[in-house]
Amino acid sequence: DGGITQSPKYLFRKEGQNVTLSCEQNLNHDAMYWYRQDPGQGLRLIYYSQIVNDFQKGDIAEGYSVSREKKESFPLTVTSAQKNPTAFYLCASRITGSNEQFFGPGTRLTVL
Amino acid sequence: GQQLNQSPQSMFIQEGEDVSMNCTSSSIFNTWLWYKQDPGEGPVLLIALYKAGELTSNGRLTAQFGITRKDSFLNISASIPSDVGIYFCSNYGGSQGNLIFGKGTKLSVKP
Repeated sequence: DGGITQSPKYLFRKEGQNVTLSCEQNLNHDAMYWYRQDPGQGLRLIYYSQIVNDFQKGDIAEGYSVSREKKESFPLTVTSAQKNPTAFYLCASRITGSNEQFFGPGTRLTVL
Repeated sequence: GQQLNQSPQSMFIQEGEDVSMNCTSSSIFNTWLWYKQDPGEGPVLLIALYKAGELTSNGRLTAQFGITRKDSFLNISASIPSDVGIYFCSNYGGSQGNLIFGKGTKLSVKP
């Protein structure tokens, strides 16, 4: 089946630890995105990548880092510099030329 | 930056009722996207609109691209319990031309 997978579904980390969230897609989409969602809020863009080996900061990139070494994969690292990392993280992808983004199932990160 | 204002914030309705929600902005757009998010899941694209005045249906859902290009409406007819979730409007209007989202309309359906 084609789609976007995120793992794990739930993640718990101690304060001060870096953590990496996985996002994989087999849709052959060029662009990939990471969003953060807080309760009662819309989605806010963290980072995005239009092509392999290239990525750009979104609106709330501070305390996060990404890589795009393969077209299928766009992992997000939440670093210890992120002041309030507990949130629901969503990965999305889009094929070039289309306006429609498709989302993965999300990872809920809780920092204790 | 550009903002999308969704209303109402939440709705509590009886099963079988029709639902109407909207999204407005002070900016003009060429596209409107409507997503639904089930609790604990990622948003799923429901309807995409590309032309002012366009009316598009997807089953019991109907969405309209406002003629002013500054707003959009989503209607759900004969609601059922599985319609429960958060409905987001979205558009390309971020600081770098990326997708932005309204804060959502949370729908609760009482059987």
